[in-house]
Amino acid sequence: NAGVTQTPKFQVLKTGQSMTLQCAQDMNHNSMYWYRQDPGMGLRLIYYSASEGTTDKGEVPNGYNVSRLNKREFSLRLESAAPSQTSVYFCATMKGGTDTQYFGPGTRLTVL
Amino acid sequence: GQQLNQSPQSMFIQEGEDVSMNCTSSSIFNTWLWYKQDPGEGPVLLIALYKAGELTSNGRLTAQFGITRKDSFLNISASIPSDVGIYFCAGQLGGGSEKLVFGKGTKLTVNP
Repeated sequence: NAGVTQTPKFQVLKTGQSMTLQCAQDMNHNSMYWYRQDPGMGLRLIYYSASEGTTDKGEVPNGYNVSRLNKREFSLRLESAAPSQTSVYFCATMKGGTDTQYFGPGTRLTVL
Repeated sequence: GQQLNQSPQSMFIQEGEDVSMNCTSSSIFNTWLWYKQDPGEGPVLLIALYKAGELTSNGRLTAQFGITRKDSFLNISASIPSDVGIYFCAGQLGGGSEKLVFGKGTKLTVNP
């Protein structure tokens, strides 16, 4: 039982490159979330998915797209990376009917 | 959007001391959560609070859900070096909301 897994753990991109961050969970949770964490800013919600087939914008969605491929997987795509997207990205899940989110280990992204 | 004011931003204490941190908001929350984040890891849930006035302990940690539902505090007694990390409060507005609002974190340093 791996919980929430994220790949890759680290990534360096050049400005303008694209990439997809992957998140998978084996807890059978309905809701999945993508956050970014910057120094002094705490965790800010980028996008979330309350259930398979639905996605909604969070606090800072610009420059990102998401895809809820199935119940297990929720990916975050940067189409044209910018230095302002240098951050640590966390995926989280939440079981329906509860308020507790469980986090993955994070992806550390640097955009040069 | 809703904001949580978490204080203090950072604390430097001696091993064995007690620690207290809190979160306040202008909004009413249905749930308060406290997370700890170790360096290089994702946040891990410490305590969840579901009822106004609720006081819950987890080992040396004690948290309370404020009676007004607009605040919560976390106490750590007899701190040890492994308590080092960043502590986040999070609140859920309820009413079917699937989103959490996070404080900006309290960075705790424990000197042995």
